[in-house]
Amino acid sequence: EAGVVQSPRYKIIEKKQPVAFWCNPISGHNTLYWYLQNLGQGPELLIRYENEEAVDDSQLPKDRFSAERLKGVDSTLKIQPAELGDSAVYLCASSLDPAVQFFGPGTRLTVL
Amino acid sequence: DQQVKQNSPSLSVQEGRISILNCDYTNSMFDYFLWYKKYPAEGPTFLISISSIKDKNEDGRFTVFLNKSAKHLSLHIVPSQPGDSAVYFCAASARFGNEKLTFGTGTRLTIIP
Repeated sequence: EAGVVQSPRYKIIEKKQPVAFWCNPISGHNTLYWYLQNLGQGPELLIRYENEEAVDDSQLPKDRFSAERLKGVDSTLKIQPAELGDSAVYLCASSLDPAVQFFGPGTRLTVL
Repeated sequence: DQQVKQNSPSLSVQEGRISILNCDYTNSMFDYFLWYKKYPAEGPTFLISISSIKDKNEDGRFTVFLNKSAKHLSLHIVPSQPGDSAVYFCAASARFGNEKLTFGTGTRLTIIP
């Protein structure tokens, strides 16, 4: 069974540029999460989807971050414009049981 | 406010010995706890969990202990193997896993051959 797929794996951009990350969850997993992981920290939830509905986006900085999951499967996370402090690893996860989440390998973003 | 704390950033253990990783939490609403393991350049992978109705859960070489009164849990790995070298994250949730996961900062475990 394929795991959670994320692309790109690495992205380097200059500040003020836009960037987008893509996630394909495990087949059949209705719940999808985006996390932010800073160096030396644990993952922090940005947004959680149940099918195509965002059920928890309280931690998403909505002035520059947006996310969508139009058909309830794949999802994209966008930052526009990126700032230096956005440099981090962006993790996508999916689950059937909300208590046990399966993580993708992450996208490492570097903002110069 | 760090609601889940892993106070040891790193731990080194001889191969074959017991590894004990510790985690403390402050939010009394947490009732479900998980350990995730992370290798470099990979996402975290689920290892073991425990509900607050139990004080111990065992899965092969891995055992998690929960002390609710102390708001403390620990992960025991015995015997430790070189492949156990990774970063271990403790996570907690309320409503028996139906609320969001709150992660600790992780402990890097190194198993010395």
